[in-house]
Amino acid sequence: GAGVSQSPSNKVTEKGKDVELRCDPISGHTALYWYRQRLGQGLEFLIYFQGNSAPDKSGLPSDRFSAERTGGSVSTLTIQRTQQEDSAVYLCASSFGSESSYEQYFGPGTRLTVT
Amino acid sequence: QQQVKQSPQSLIVQKGGISIINCAYENTAFDYFPWYQQFPGKGPALLIAIRPDVSEKKEGRFTISFNKSAKQFSLHIMDSQPGDSATYFCAAKLSGAGSYQLTFGKGTKLSVIP
Repeated sequence: GAGVSQSPSNKVTEKGKDVELRCDPISGHTALYWYRQRLGQGLEFLIYFQGNSAPDKSGLPSDRFSAERTGGSVSTLTIQRTQQEDSAVYLCASSFGSESSYEQYFGPGTRLTVT
Repeated sequence: QQQVKQSPQSLIVQKGGISIINCAYENTAFDYFPWYQQFPGKGPALLIAIRPDVSEKKEGRFTISFNKSAKQFSLHIMDSQPGDSATYFCAAKLSGAGSYQLTFGKGTKLSVIP
C-alpha cells in the first residue's frame, strides 16, 4: 500500500516568507508526528497528533511554527516569517497509535532551504 | 528525564566486521526500544525493536541486546556489509495508555568499507 507522502520534496524560500509543508499519512493511522532534522543531526520532535485528542505541541521551537490536522488525516506544518535557522529536513511520520503496533512510518521529508 | 543518549556519533567498520552502537536512558518508564535505519535522502525506517521483558532479540544479522539494570541497549550488526552504510537511530517510548511518542537518540553514521 501507499506509504507516508510529503510535499513538496524541496522548498527554497526567502527569509521572512511563510511556508506550508504537507503530510499525507498512511490510511488508517491515527497518530501523526512532525520532526525536524538539521544537517547531520538527529530527529527533533515538533508536534504529535493522536486521533481527536489535543495535539502535543511541546516540541515546537517558537510561535512561528504551527500545525494542524484536518479530518484526522492530512496535516500541514506552517512556518511563519522563516529564518535561516529553519533550514532543515522536515519529516512526517504516522502510526496506528495503538497498543498493537508502535512502529512509526516516515515519509521522505521536505528539504527546506531559507535564503 | 526523557533523553536517550547514543554513541558513537560515527563508526567505520570493515566489511565482514561487527558494528556495535550503544544507547543509554534514564527514565525507567520507557517500555519499547526500536532502532531505525536511515539512508541519505530517505526517511528513517524501523529495523528492529525490543521490549524490556527480553534481554536479546535477533533478526538476521541484526541483534538488539538489552540490559534493564544498566538502562542500556545496543545494536549489533554482524557480518557488516557496505549496504549497511547508513545512519542508525535508537529510540524509546514511554509506557502508559495513549503514549506512542518516541524519543530518539542523535544518531550514528555507520560506514562499512570494503
